Amino acid sequence: SQQGEEDPQALSIQEGENATMNCSYKTSINNLQWYRQNSGRGLVHLILIRSNEREKHSGRLRVTLDTSKKSSSLLITASRAADTASYFCATDPKTGANNLFFGTGTRLTVIP
Amino acid sequence: GAVVSQHPSWVICKSGTSVKIECRSLDFQATTMFWYRQFPKQSLMLMATSNEGSKATYEQGVEKDKFLINHASLTLSTLTVTSAHPEDSSFYICSPLRRETQYFGPGTRLLVL
Repeated sequence: SQQGEEDPQALSIQEGENATMNCSYKTSINNLQWYRQNSGRGLVHLILIRSNEREKHSGRLRVTLDTSKKSSSLLITASRAADTASYFCATDPKTGANNLFFGTGTRLTVIP
Repeated sequence: GAVVSQHPSWVICKSGTSVKIECRSLDFQATTMFWYRQFPKQSLMLMATSNEGSKATYEQGVEKDKFLINHASLTLSTLTVTSAHPEDSSFYICSPLRRETQYFGPGTRLLVL
């Protein structure tokens, strides 16, 4: 399976704290993307980082990518209650299929 | 741009009935469509890939005769769950491909009683 693994599976923090989620994958990739999903809803694209990039920022989001370790992290700074959701990484593999493979997800709860 | 709709958003049906889910790309054409399934508290798993005008390619473990995919036009793809059973209850998400970027529909929640 090309599905990635994420940890932690669940994370609960206080509002204002930072949240860090990690993603590990198995194959060489073109890019890695992070998505957010509110309970029972569709996916929202957050950020894309290419294989030749090491770090990317978007607002309160910071993503890192280490292709040698086949891992990525998503940092949400100054979390808000509205950030409560599930977060998934998805990889675009270099060879084979042209679809995204999703990680197992991290359920983030931000306590007001 | 890149708006994707799915219909219905919610469906409840009796065991043994068939359910059709429509996915439309509203402002672009998609030659390739991916269909994903997501069970509660789990990740998205690819079910099948379809290209307009040709037969879909199914992932291992997905029954092609049970999950019928029709991609008859560049803006519409349908997934029909035939003879649905309770274990088919899931969240189904379509994902059209546009210039190497996947966009995602809002999903259809299916509950089979």
